Amino acid sequence: GEDVEQSLFLSVREGDSSVINCTYTDSSSTYLYWYKQEPGAGLQLLTYIFSNMDMKQDQRLTVLLNKKDKHLSLRIADTQTGDSAIYFCAEDTGRRALTFGSGTRLQVQP
Amino acid sequence: EAGVTQFPSHSVIEKGQTVTLRCDPISGHDNLYWYRRVMGKEIKFLLHFVKESKQDESGMPNNRFLAERTGGTYSTLKVQPAELEDSGVYFCASSQESTSPLHFGNGTRLTVT
Repeated sequence: GEDVEQSLFLSVREGDSSVINCTYTDSSSTYLYWYKQEPGAGLQLLTYIFSNMDMKQDQRLTVLLNKKDKHLSLRIADTQTGDSAIYFCAEDTGRRALTFGSGTRLQVQP
Repeated sequence: EAGVTQFPSHSVIEKGQTVTLRCDPISGHDNLYWYRRVMGKEIKFLLHFVKESKQDESGMPNNRFLAERTGGTYSTLKVQPAELEDSGVYFCASSQESTSPLHFGNGTRLTVT
């Protein structure tokens, strides 16, 4: 069955890089997403990667996809206090019913 | 461009009452989705509309939940009668094409007492 797993918590210092990891089980995934949820807010689409790509970079964000190991990561360079939030990875197997991980809470220490 | 908007942002009702949640997708998005996150668990898919038609409603938990999208614009999700375990955050999302990324709203926090 489908299952997406993430670590629950990550703490970094301001200015450092953050790496949030995610593993998934469905090899038929078409898209993999990263969403950000700030307190009291909805799910903000941060970035996504198509399954035939290995890497995608967008300003401070770098997404790496290892299809062999079914591993997805999100790297945030020069992490700022405004990056503190919960980060969800999600996979789309083409049915449009995304499967979400439980979310990783990123805490940025000044 | 306005994003996905949901109303209300928060609803508190008693067990047995009825609640209707509304979602306005991004203009021009034919695809509309409902998801929910209950009691700190994972965000789970409920259903998917393409225009006014239900494309996939495999995630709807039971027949107390009714989703509609008359006219293919906004959608409503009615819970009748509400139970305690329905408490959570209900998210709506939309996408332009069936292969486009999903854009989510801020969600409606439902509390059933």
